Amino acid sequence: ETGVTQSPTHLIKTRGQQVTLRCSSQSGHNTVSWYQQALGQGPQFIFQYYREEENGRGNFPPRFSGLQFPNYSSELNVNALELDDSALYLCASSFRGPGPEQFFGPGTRLTVL
Amino acid sequence: AQRVTQPEKLLSVFKGAPVELKCNYSYSGSPELFWYVQYSRQRLQLLLRHISRESIKGFTADLNKGETSFHLKKPFAQEEDSAMYYCALRSSGGSNYKLTFGKGTLLTVNP
Repeated sequence: ETGVTQSPTHLIKTRGQQVTLRCSSQSGHNTVSWYQQALGQGPQFIFQYYREEENGRGNFPPRFSGLQFPNYSSELNVNALELDDSALYLCASSFRGPGPEQFFGPGTRLTVL
Repeated sequence: AQRVTQPEKLLSVFKGAPVELKCNYSYSGSPELFWYVQYSRQRLQLLLRHISRESIKGFTADLNKGETSFHLKKPFAQEEDSAMYYCALRSSGGSNYKLTFGKGTLLTVNP
């Protein structure tokens, strides 16, 4: 069984650029959630994808968007990067429903200069 | 709105001492509460959840709805317990099973 993987590990961008982060969910999981973790903070929910549709969104602007593919992998896209977007971005996969545990990936560290 | 508060950013204890990491929540419905742990250079992982009512690595947590708390306790701390601990809440209703996290408590267990 393969765990959640994310790429790249680290990324440096400049303000105004666009970035795409990738996540491969754990085998058999059909739901992917994305979280932003700023320094010294807990993870903050960005959005969740289930069956290639957005299934809930946190308090993030529309320049944060995502995709889920038929194999349940997912992308997080951020346009017009701002300095405050510098954070660790975590992906978590699970089976859909209230019971299943969310399994987290190692994260992508994004630095915006 | 749902909110999770962990009042202690840092907690330092000696090996063998009891430890309690505090967590309070705000939620109008019936929540699910979790404790996640992140050891150095490792990914975030689930430690325990209130519905399981089990002890993991000697840790227990009881949901107190009257006090809206879900404190994590261990009677005798070990050095390997040193880690970042996050309390999290998940709403029981709706189709979106997002987690709301506290800011975390860094536990250091000294020899």
